[in-house]
Amino acid sequence: QVQLQESGPGLVKPSETLSLTCTVSGGSVRSHYWSWIRQPPGKRLEWIAYIYYSGSTYYNPSLKSRVTISVDPSKNQFSLNLTSVTAADTAVYYCARLPAAPYYFDYWGQGTLVTVSS
Amino acid sequence: EIVMTQSPATLSVSPGERATLSCRASQSLGSDLAWYQQKPGQAPRLLIYGASTRATDIPARFSGSGFGTEFTLTISSLESEDFAVYYCQQYNNWPETFGQGTKVEIK
Repeated sequence: QVQLQESGPGLVKPSETLSLTCTVSGGSVRSHYWSWIRQPPGKRLEWIAYIYYSGSTYYNPSLKSRVTISVDPSKNQFSLNLTSVTAADTAVYYCARLPAAPYYFDYWGQGTLVTVSS
Repeated sequence: EIVMTQSPATLSVSPGERATLSCRASQSLGSDLAWYQQKPGQAPRLLIYGASTRATDIPARFSGSGFGTEFTLTISSLESEDFAVYYCQQYNNWPETFGQGTKVEIK
């Protein structure tokens, strides 16, 4: 059974960089696509980015200028960096797997709340 | 990007009754639609993909239908664990987008 676990700071100051890591167990990041999705309080889910282990990346155009996704096969992890954050970036951030791309998300992490506040 | 619209926003149903949730896309998706269930404090759980294919270990009381721009998720006989928020998601066009959700609550 594939399991994903997000980790990273729960509080980030405005204008700083939000950095999260997703650790994958029960499967390898060397197959499938790996994604970040967020859900601001009371709002719908928003896809942020996904990556294939080869390094191919895809970003939501609305966030592309501020987002970087990367993968570390040696640690079986992938990561998200979101720069110049504002209060609008406050959300629960999920990591997830896709069998292909674009596609549905078949495995999800539990999610981590990141609050942007001074 | 494709806009997904779900209705109703809230559905009040008694246990044992049937629930019908709708999802509409702003342009045709073919069958490239998924449904998720989300309970408070939990991650979304994949229920249906390809508009009508149940994901692994999903009970048969969940069924999906539709094609193009109109889709339906039906829960044939609601059980207590089914009260949750349900989201649709399209993957026909990049970027993938989600509906705003339908909350199924106990009547």
